[in-house]
Amino acid sequence: EDQVTQSPEALRLQEGESSSLNCSYTVSGLRGLFWYRQDPGKGPEFLFTLYSAGEEKEKERLKATLTKKESFLHITAPKPEDSATYLCAVQAGYTGRRALTFGSGTRLQVQP
Amino acid sequence: NAGVTQTPKFQVLKTGQSMTLQCAQDMNHNSMYWYRQDPGMGLRLIYYSASEGTTDKGEVPNGYNVSRLNKREFSLRLESAAPSQTSVYFCASSESWKQPLTEAFFGQGTRLTVV
Repeated sequence: EDQVTQSPEALRLQEGESSSLNCSYTVSGLRGLFWYRQDPGKGPEFLFTLYSAGEEKEKERLKATLTKKESFLHITAPKPEDSATYLCAVQAGYTGRRALTFGSGTRLQVQP
Repeated sequence: NAGVTQTPKFQVLKTGQSMTLQCAQDMNHNSMYWYRQDPGMGLRLIYYSASEGTTDKGEVPNGYNVSRLNKREFSLRLESAAPSQTSVYFCASSESWKQPLTEAFFGQGTRLTVV
């Protein structure tokens, strides 16, 4: 069974204080790992897709990396507008599994 | 470009009542999904439709039915609502579930309370 575990559950940072969020996964053949951002009362918004170990992607203050067992979302010099819940999801490779398995998310709060 | 539109946004049901959640996408996507989100449990897949004319069960299908009405629309029906179905429901769509993977786009959610 595919499993995705995110840590920490909640993280409070001061503006400018860099940190990383962790996503550990267990799947039968990873086809892709996705990061989403979710604001309160909204649906998840796509950030990145990573396909293979060693891959990295960046967008503004966010950088996502992938190893064979986990992914990190690095946040450099965060701003209050980065406050949100960050969700990690995987899509497995075996036949018949056609949708995403999500972690429970990390709630990030960035204080001015 | 509206993306994925869900209706209603909020709903309160009494136990045993039925209702249908509507979802429409205007991105010409082939695949559509229904998820539920509960505190501490992440998003869990209820049903999905890989392409028009097909539907399949996800992780938590009991108590739900779906209809892929056409390529744009995918509805979720609760035949006899139970308090355990109190949740936030998200519809999503993606171009395809096949390689190369494409990301899923989500609607704004329907907040359902069953009393």
